Amino acid sequence: KAGVTQTPRYLIKTRGQQVTLSCSPISGHRSVSWYQQTPGQGLQFLFEYFSETQRNKGNFPGRFSGRQFSNSRSEMNVSTLELGDSALYLCASSSGGAAEQYFGPGTRLTVT
Amino acid sequence: QKEVEQDPGPLSVPEGAIVSLNCTYSNSAFQYFMWYRQYSRKGPELLMYTYSSGNKEDGRFTAQVDKSSKYISLFIRDSQPSDSATYLCATTTIQGAQKLVFGQGTRLTINP
Repeated sequence: KAGVTQTPRYLIKTRGQQVTLSCSPISGHRSVSWYQQTPGQGLQFLFEYFSETQRNKGNFPGRFSGRQFSNSRSEMNVSTLELGDSALYLCASSSGGAAEQYFGPGTRLTVT
Repeated sequence: QKEVEQDPGPLSVPEGAIVSLNCTYSNSAFQYFMWYRQYSRKGPELLMYTYSSGNKEDGRFTAQVDKSSKYISLFIRDSQPSDSATYLCATTTIQGAQKLVFGQGTRLTINP
């Protein structure tokens, strides 16, 4: 069974721009969660989608948003990029009923 | 104060040693406990998953949860150089099952 895939793997953007990241979960998984990983703050939960609905949300500003499609694929969007948004963005999928989450390789975003 | 505390290390041990990695947490509502391993420039890989208190063994890995002291541990027996990675503990509540709260991660090096 294929794992979680994320595209693109690397991205360089300029402050003020916006960016969209994509995640395809493990086949059959209906829950997709997004996390931000930085050296200073570690791994922090952004939000979770299940059956196209946002079910949980972390403490991030409204510039961070996401959505999920009917095939469970998910996208997250960051608008008005700031230098502090430079991070590894990780997507994880699960069956939705359990807490076990399986992570993708991440998208490394650099904001200049 | 962070909800999950984990010594970031670095921790360096000789090959074959028993490694002990630990986390403490503050929220008594946490019920699910996980250990992830993350190699450099990769996404976290789920190693162990436990529910509530007790021990769980999988090959050379043993996870322990002591809810009375809010303490979780991962033991690695017969450590190998390939075990060199960052180990992250994670936990969540029943209600917010997909919203994982992570420790800072411990960087482990196994020396041949």
